[in-house]
Amino acid sequence: GAVVSQHPSWVICKSGTSVKIECRSLDFQATTMFWYRQFPKQSLMLMATSNEGSKATYEQGVEKDKFLINHASLTLSTLTVTSAHPEDSSFYICSAPRAGGRTEAFFGQGTRLTVV
Amino acid sequence: TQLLEQSPQFLSIQEGENLTVYCNSSSVFSSLQWYRQEPGEGPVLLVTVVTGGEVKKLKRLTFQFGDARKDSSLHITAAQPGDTGLYLCAGASGANNLFFGTGTRLTVIP
Repeated sequence: GAVVSQHPSWVICKSGTSVKIECRSLDFQATTMFWYRQFPKQSLMLMATSNEGSKATYEQGVEKDKFLINHASLTLSTLTVTSAHPEDSSFYICSAPRAGGRTEAFFGQGTRLTVV
Repeated sequence: TQLLEQSPQFLSIQEGENLTVYCNSSSVFSSLQWYRQEPGEGPVLLVTVVTGGEVKKLKRLTFQFGDARKDSSLHITAAQPGDTGLYLCAGASGANNLFFGTGTRLTVIP
């Protein structure tokens, strides 16, 4: 079964509105979670690293004021796309590292965002 | 940013054929992982290779890590339609950092 749950799986919103995506680790704690963006037929691009209890670390070129990340607890990270525009339409995926210091990750199911 | 180039980018083959996907980088990684992603879903881990020169087999899939830990290959024997998907290599460097390859989209035609 899924160990990282992402919600919603798809969302359609109007331009200018904000959308929140949740990423939950099930049955384990994740002090770190990662947020990726994936364009059609392309690989995953790391957007930011979400850190429980501290500020997220954003990759170069990712606007932190547009993609707000909150890691409020050891099992929940949220990504809020603020003032969404059509070019923000994409597939967003979160992941959490496996326990025990391993680098392999569990991935959420992804969220298909469409901004109209 | 540590780049991982995968080749080929797209591959369409007939059921029963063999294929190899390559993952190359100029960087050294502590480990390298292979994932498969179905449309509309998140990637699922297939294997992790850690030691230079390591070879791991997963049924019809054979994974190899280069001696210098900069590259890897995935070989599929007798491909089946169920193997269709996006294959991603990912290099691990430092604590929890994963760098994903450019991806190889495989289509196996029945």
